[in-house]
Amino acid sequence: NAGVTQTPKFQVLKTGQSMTLQCAQDMNHNSMYWYRQDPGMGLRLIYYSASEGTTDKGEVPNGYNVSRLNKREFSLRLESAAPSQTSVYFCASSAGQVNSPLHFGNGTRLTVT
Amino acid sequence: GIQVEQSPPDLILQEGANSTLRCNFSDSVNNLQWFHQNPWGQLINLFYIPSGTKQNGRLSATTVATERYSLLYISSSQTTDSGDYFCAPGRNTGNQFYFGTGTSLTVIP
Repeated sequence: NAGVTQTPKFQVLKTGQSMTLQCAQDMNHNSMYWYRQDPGMGLRLIYYSASEGTTDKGEVPNGYNVSRLNKREFSLRLESAAPSQTSVYFCASSAGQVNSPLHFGNGTRLTVT
Repeated sequence: GIQVEQSPPDLILQEGANSTLRCNFSDSVNNLQWFHQNPWGQLINLFYIPSGTKQNGRLSATTVATERYSLLYISSSQTTDSGDYFCAPGRNTGNQFYFGTGTSLTVIP
């Protein structure tokens, strides 16, 4: 039981390049989330998927797109990376019901030069 | 969204000391979680506590939802308690959680 798995762990991009961050969970959770963490700013929600087939914007969605591929997988895409997207990205999941704690992956450290 | 303030922002403790971390939030919430981010960056769920008090070993948490705050108590601190602590209140509608900027705890031997 791996929990929430993110790939890759590290990535360096040049400005304008694109990439997709992958996230998969094996807990049969309904809800999945993408957060970014910047120094001194805590975690901010980018996008979330309350259930398979639905996605919604969070606090900071600009410059990102997401896909809920199936119940297990939720990917985050940067179409044209910018230095302001340098951050640590965390995927999380929860059962989606009342009293459902969040479970986080180990993060992806992304640097855009 | 919900505004979340955590205090203190930084805390240094001698091993064995006790501490209280506070989380204030701006709006009514249905749920609240506390997380520990260890020095390797991993986020560990400590408590799911929308109201009342829970205890887990040396850690306990209390949420008073009507007064919009939550407290995390750490007793007999150990060096392994070092790291950042985040609270994340949320609403069931939309299932969103909002994170504070955290308390950075350093426990020195």
